[in-house]
Amino acid sequence: GENVEQHPSTLSVQEGDSAVIKCTYSDSASNYFPWYKQELGKGPQLIIDIRSNVGEKKDQRIAVTLNKTAKHFSLHITETQPEDSAVYFCAASQGAQKLVFGQGTRLTINP
Amino acid sequence: KAGVTQTPRYLIKTRGQQVTLSCSPISGHRSVSWYQQTPGQGLQFLFEYFSETQRNKGNFPGRFSGRQFSNSRSEMNVSTLELGDSALYLCASSLSRDEQYFGPGTRLTVT
Repeated sequence: GENVEQHPSTLSVQEGDSAVIKCTYSDSASNYFPWYKQELGKGPQLIIDIRSNVGEKKDQRIAVTLNKTAKHFSLHITETQPEDSAVYFCAASQGAQKLVFGQGTRLTINP
Repeated sequence: KAGVTQTPRYLIKTRGQQVTLSCSPISGHRSVSWYQQTPGQGLQFLFEYFSETQRNKGNFPGRFSGRQFSNSRSEMNVSTLELGDSALYLCASSLSRDEQYFGPGTRLTVT
């Protein structure tokens, strides 16, 4: 089955700097890769996703890149703000169902 | 549009008891998936229901079961509770094979 590895487990950056979180997956049949943000006491919130027919996708300060050959994808957050502090999860799946999640990255933005 | 709702939000049960959790998906969404979140194992897929039928299943024992009603609302049941079942149980809804949107979760504590 699919296995997703996520790094780093914790990340601390200065406000205004960029943050990058990386994930690798094992199943070449996976074609859908979402990123979720989870704040304390809340459920995961979908922030961006990418499908395997696209190499990069941007939404304001957030971007995701996908390298199908290497089986890895990354989340890039630019101009970080204190409200970006949260736990971020990557996931992989076939057809957007039965998501397999990475272990999460706790991102802290220091003012 | 209202988001995914889950009831109850918090639950305390004793070993050996059973529990039923409820999830109401976003209006118009027909797919409901359940996930278990624990500090040790992270986010793990339990099962997915679409049009009242189980469409996908994760690797959990038969004590974990679910169902979906004609209005797309879903319930999951855990019988003969064990201490290790203590977790945040998350429900996610989607139109069909599309992005999944999570509810706030039900925090289950087994004593």
